[in-house]
This record gives sequence, C-alpha cells and structure tokens, in this order.
Amino acid sequence: EVQLVETGGGLVQPGRSLKLSCVASGFTFNNYWMSWTRQAPGKGLEWVASITNSGGSTYYPDSVKGRFTISRDNAQNTLYLQMNSLRSEDTATYYCTRVGHTMGMDYWGQGVMVTVSS
Amino acid sequence: DIQMTQSPASLSASLEEIVTITCQASQDIGNWLSWYQQKPGKSPQLLIYGATSLADGVPSRFSGSRSGTQYSLKISRLQVEDIGIYYCLQAYSAPLTFGSGTKLEIK
Repeated sequence: EVQLVETGGGLVQPGRSLKLSCVASGFTFNNYWMSWTRQAPGKGLEWVASITNSGGSTYYPDSVKGRFTISRDNAQNTLYLQMNSLRSEDTATYYCTRVGHTMGMDYWGQGVMVTVSS
Repeated sequence: DIQMTQSPASLSASLEEIVTITCQASQDIGNWLSWYQQKPGKSPQLLIYGATSLADGVPSRFSGSRSGTQYSLKISRLQVEDIGIYYCLQAYSAPLTFGSGTKLEIK
C-alpha cells in the first residue's frame, strides 16, 4: 500500500524558515518524480514544486522560486521542502504527492498545516 | 503560463443524474490533463490521468474526454458519495496549473 506521511508543519513567524518532510512507503521511491502541492484555507490547489526521480532537476512556480527548495533522499525514501523567507500568503496545508503517468499526481499524503503569522 | 478555466464553479444535481465539468486550456496541452476529487476534510484523489484514463480503483461512472483544448469530466450516474470539489490540472508545462474547482452538491 502506497503511503505518504508529511511532518514538520506548525506556526512560524513571517521571514522565518521551516522544513517539511514526507516519508514514502509501499513503492520504489527512486522510480518516481515527486511534488508538493498546497491549499490555502478555503481556497483551491496550487502546485509548489516538483523533483525528478534522481533529484537532478527541480521545478517551481514564480510564487516560491528562490525561497523554497525541494529535495529528496532516495536512501531514506524521504522528500523534503525547505521553506525560507516565509510570508503570510504561504499559510496553507501542504501535500506531498507522487507523480505518475502523464504527470498526474496519483497518491497524496494527508497534508500538513503551515501557518505563517506573528 | 497556461491558464485552466474551469466551469461551472458550483453545481447542484440529483442522484442518478449525468454531471459534466469542463476545463478550457489557454493553449494546447495535449493529453497532459488530470482530474481530482476532494471530499470534505480529505486530501484530493486522482480520478483521471492522460485526459481519458481512469485511475486505479475509481468507479467506471467517471470518465474523461477531450475536444481540442477543452477537457471534460463526466459522472454518468451521480451518487451521494460523489459530493466534493473537483479540480483539473495541466502538467504540459511548468508552472503546473490547476483549475479553480467545481463544488458538486446533491439537489
């Protein structure tokens, strides 16, 4: 059974940093691209970052480029999201997702809440 | 950036009714389109990938189609467990972009 378990969320002040982790199980982690997607309270879904299966390439939207870094440890089956210079608009539930056929996100974690507030 | 215009924003339908949700892409995205269902308080779930392929475990009453740059999700016989918010996603090029969502309710 595929499982994605995110940790690391919480309350953080604007301008500070936070690192999310996602532990994957039930599949061969290093065969798949992975992504992070977020959802602000009461809002829609927003793609945040993607990483190739080897970790050699990463992709971001302009809204987080230069502030967020996606990475992975294939030996530990773990995906990360380092978030720096956090802003109030980064407040959201962050989902770890596996990327499947034609880049569809075929498995999602339960999500972790990040609140940026003073 | 590729814009995904999703309609309607909300939809109320009767049980057993046919429901259709559409996403219009601002440019050609081929079949790099997927559909998701998010039930209240839950994580999104993949329904359709590659515009027309049914994801594992998804009931066959769900189907996806494409006509040019317009993509549709059809629920052939609406069931009570289908309530939630539906999103499309284009993954043809970065930044990946979601539609704004369609909230589906039972009439």
